[in-house]
This record gives sequence, structure tokens and C-alpha cells, in this order.
Amino acid sequence: GAGVSQSPSNKVTEKGKDVELRCDPISGHTALYWYRQSLGQGLEFLIYFQGNSAPDKSGLPSDRFSAERTGGSVSTLTIQRTQQEDSAVYLCASSLPTDTQYFGPGTRLTVL
Amino acid sequence: GENVEQHPSTLSVQEGDSAVIKCTYSDSASNYFPWYKQELGKGPQLIIDIRSNVGEKKDQRIAVTLNKTAKHFSLHITETQPEDSAVYFCAAIFSYNTDKLIFGTGTRLQVFP
Repeated sequence: GAGVSQSPSNKVTEKGKDVELRCDPISGHTALYWYRQSLGQGLEFLIYFQGNSAPDKSGLPSDRFSAERTGGSVSTLTIQRTQQEDSAVYLCASSLPTDTQYFGPGTRLTVL
Repeated sequence: GENVEQHPSTLSVQEGDSAVIKCTYSDSASNYFPWYKQELGKGPQLIIDIRSNVGEKKDQRIAVTLNKTAKHFSLHITETQPEDSAVYFCAAIFSYNTDKLIFGTGTRLQVFP
């Protein structure tokens, strides 16, 4: 079946602009996660959605970052007033509750 | 705090040799330990995982061992092949703090023919 998909695959933006990154999880997966991977680094947790529960936002680096999950499926990560240090690969994963997390291919964000 | 350390950062082996990557974690309450393989330009792919009620798990050429007392777990790849070349990440779930994964910093494995 279809895996986790993310769009766009690449995004180049100018400093100060807002960007939206999209994640389509695997159908039926109630949990959805966003991670950030800076060049040559490991993965950093950003935010976690589980069903109708309040999301765990403990990993968001600043109030410029926000995420929504509409209808328990698609999620959008929004970065406002982008900075050069926001340049990274943003990865989305989905899972059944307390089960294996499956990752999408990521969105490579470059802030000029 | 929540922390996963991974060693080595790079590993070069000859085709056919074994490769071992080690990770340690900080929280004794952790109960789930996946390993991911990431190829260039792709998202991480799960290759094997282990839960805290099991000491060892094997899947063909890949095995993972867990020592709960010492709070470390290891990935073993036997009979390495050039297609095993990738970056490998260990991770741990800290169960008291949702299901977010805390990742190690990665090991770049190169298998030379």
C-alpha cells in the first residue's frame, strides 16, 4: 500500500517568508510525527499528534513553528518568517498507537 | 534528560565482514528501540526493532541485542554487502513522554567491495 508522502520534495524560499510543508500519513495511522534533520545530523523531534488528543509540541524550536492535523489525517507544518537556520530536511512519520513509525521521504527546505 | 549516544560515527568494512554499531540510552524506563537505515536523499527506513522484554532479535543478516541493565543496545550486520552502505540511526522511545523517538547521531557505514 501507499506509504507516507510529503510535499513539496524541495522548497527554496527567501529569508522572512512563510512556508507550509504537507504530510499525508499512511491510511488508518492515528499517530503522526514531525522531525527535523539538519545537514549531517540526527533527527530532532518537533511535534506529535495522536488521535484527538492535544498534540505534544515540546520539540518546536520557536513560536514561528506550528503544525495542524485536519480531520485526523493530513498534517501541515508551517514556519513563519523563515530564517537561514531553518534550512533542513523536514521528515514526517506515522504509526498506529505505540507501534512502528514509518517515515516519508522528507521535504528539503533551503532558506536563502 | 533524554539522550541516546551512538558510536562509531563512521565505519568502514570490507564486503563480507561484520559491522557492529552501539547505542546507549539515558532513561531506564525506555521500552522500545528501533534501528533505521537512511540512504542518500531518502527518509529513514526501519530495518529492525526490539522491545525491552526481549534480549535479542534476528532477521537474516541483521540482529539487535539489548542489555537493559547497562542501558545499551547494538546492531549487528553480518556478511556485509555494498548495498548495506548507508547511514544507520538508533532510537529509543521514552515511554513516559509520549511516543516521540529520540535518535542517536547516526553511523555512516561504508562497505567496500
